[in-house]
Amino acid sequence: GAGVSQSPSNKVTEKGKDVELRCDPISGHTALYWYRQRLGQGLEFLIYFQGNSAPDKSGLPSDRFSAERTGESVSTLTIQRTQQEDSAVYLCASSAGQRLDYTFGSGTRLTVV
Amino acid sequence: AQRVTQPEKLLSVFKGAPVELKCNYSYSGSPELFWYVQYSRQRLQLLLRHISRESIKGFTADLNKGETSFHLKKPFAQEEDSAMYYCALSGGGTASKLTFGTGTRLQVTL
Repeated sequence: GAGVSQSPSNKVTEKGKDVELRCDPISGHTALYWYRQRLGQGLEFLIYFQGNSAPDKSGLPSDRFSAERTGESVSTLTIQRTQQEDSAVYLCASSAGQRLDYTFGSGTRLTVV
Repeated sequence: AQRVTQPEKLLSVFKGAPVELKCNYSYSGSPELFWYVQYSRQRLQLLLRHISRESIKGFTADLNKGETSFHLKKPFAQEEDSAMYYCALSGGGTASKLTFGTGTRLQVTL
């Protein structure tokens, strides 16, 4: 597609429920990144995919967080048993190869109540 | 460890005044530095990267390895420059990700 697409744009969930966030990168972009931005804070790295492998998942905050990617296409970030501190904007970005000029999606705003 | 510090949360300047958004970094190797910008109701987007040594929308940034800084400058601020600015660092080479600062909101007033 023309840009990085994320869905849903907004998600309100009850504490303890699981959520899935989706990212569609730019076609042909081999690298895909997930970041989290809590209110008033900077972007916090979560995980990086090169193709469908994840050479760096060092930023996943707990084992409740997982992510997968199908080929060089869609990625899904799953948060199990959501907690209030998971409330944030989750941003996805993609880039061509090892170039680091990211193209960002518009993010998913997750609110855990 | 990589770290990026943007000491100002908010910078307010008058239209036509010079702008300097500060960015300091901590990294032991040779970093690649970037500035990203987010205008109101738009996505975060790349503004410039130091290896390109370019000027975008009148903004420039010079990497100062001695002071470990990558400040963003513009000689004359415009209203349309009002946005959130993020400095970011990569370890270079085959480094896999960017480390972002907490951002500075630039507010240009008349």
